[in-house]
Amino acid sequence: QKEVEQNSGPLSVPEGAIASLNCTYSDRGSQSFFWYRQYSGKSPELIMSIYSNGDKEDGRFTAQLNKASQYVSLLIRDSQPSDSATYLCAAPPGYSSASKIIFGSGTRLSIRP
Amino acid sequence: DGGITQSPKYLFRKEGQNVTLSCEQNLNHDAMYWYRQDPGQGLRLIYYSQIVNDFQKGDIAEGYSVSREKKESFPLTVTSAQKNPTAFYLCASSGTGRQPQHFGDGTRLSIL
Repeated sequence: QKEVEQNSGPLSVPEGAIASLNCTYSDRGSQSFFWYRQYSGKSPELIMSIYSNGDKEDGRFTAQLNKASQYVSLLIRDSQPSDSATYLCAAPPGYSSASKIIFGSGTRLSIRP
Repeated sequence: DGGITQSPKYLFRKEGQNVTLSCEQNLNHDAMYWYRQDPGQGLRLIYYSQIVNDFQKGDIAEGYSVSREKKESFPLTVTSAQKNPTAFYLCASSGTGRQPQHFGDGTRLSIL
């Protein structure tokens, strides 16, 4: 069973600090990774996609991928109260023909004023 | 605007009743998915379809049924066999199974 694992949290970060969210995956063949944000009572929203090793920046968000260590992380700089949400990591299977992405269970992030 | 439309937003089911949740997309995506989410929990895959007239069971298919007669539509029926149907149901679509999924706004199903 291919897995994507996240710490469920809650992760509490002071406003203005950097929030660091981590995700590990078991399928060495996975080539791309996605981060979703889900506010309470709402549906998940895609916020970042990363397809190669290294960093990808988009505004206050940076996704980092390390294929050798099989982890992907999301950094949120200058955290705002509006960043309080659950963040889901997702990865498609590497080589399986049953091509559907696997979601982690999510990390709940709370930004305290 | 392109997107995924789920209806209704809220739905109530009586004991022994089947109910159908609608999901329509105009993104021209081949793949569509149904997830169930319970309070404080992650997403659990019910059914998915990668092409018209074909679908596969996910992790929790018992008590549910789907059809995929049109590319744009993937309705989910919650049957009376599903004894604990109260949950938030999410429909998603993607271009292919390996591309990121985009979600509808969800349907909240409760038991009367």
